[in-house]
Amino acid sequence: KQEVTQIPAALSVPEGENLVLNCSFTDSAIYNLQWFRQDPGKGLTSLLLIQSSQREQTSGRLNASLDKSSGRSTLYIAASQPGDSATYLCAVSNTGGFKTIFGAGTRLFVKA
Amino acid sequence: GAGVSQTPSNKVTEKGKYVELRCDPISGHTALYWYRQSLGQGPEFLIYFQGTGAADDSGLPNDRFFAVRPEGSVSTLKIQRTERGDSAVYLCASSPFGNTIYFGEGSWLTVV
Repeated sequence: KQEVTQIPAALSVPEGENLVLNCSFTDSAIYNLQWFRQDPGKGLTSLLLIQSSQREQTSGRLNASLDKSSGRSTLYIAASQPGDSATYLCAVSNTGGFKTIFGAGTRLFVKA
Repeated sequence: GAGVSQTPSNKVTEKGKYVELRCDPISGHTALYWYRQSLGQGPEFLIYFQGTGAADDSGLPNDRFFAVRPEGSVSTLKIQRTERGDSAVYLCASSPFGNTIYFGEGSWLTVV
């Protein structure tokens, strides 16, 4: 059974800092991994999708890496801004079907 | 519309009543997902459709929960004999096969 864990559960940083969010998963037979952002009271917005054959994806100040063999992914946020404050969720889709399992998320607060 | 649409956005119902939650996916998306999210938690997988058929319904908590997608587009999540523990945000998402998942804003269900 796939389990997804995110560390830390919450993080508070001053504006301008670079930061790393961590995601680990127990079953390495994944089809892809996605990072999402969720603002309070809202749905989820996809940030980055990494296929199982890829090692990383970049979008603007965001960079996500994937090490499938060790069951880990990281989301790197450069030069954080107050507008980055949100919950960041990691989700993996398994091969042989597309049941997508989420972690509990990391709540990020960027102080101005 | 361009995104995933969910109705109602908010629903308050009495314990024991029947509830239907509707999801209009993005046009052309073959995959449709239902998740349930409680405060401070990541989305919990309920059911996944590929076309009209439920490809994986292993996340439905018990037989009070049922979902349909009769024409491969709109889906309805049905909850019978609601209980207070069913109170949560019910999220619907859709995607092209094996690709980025797009979420709706959710239906907030409160059982009193």
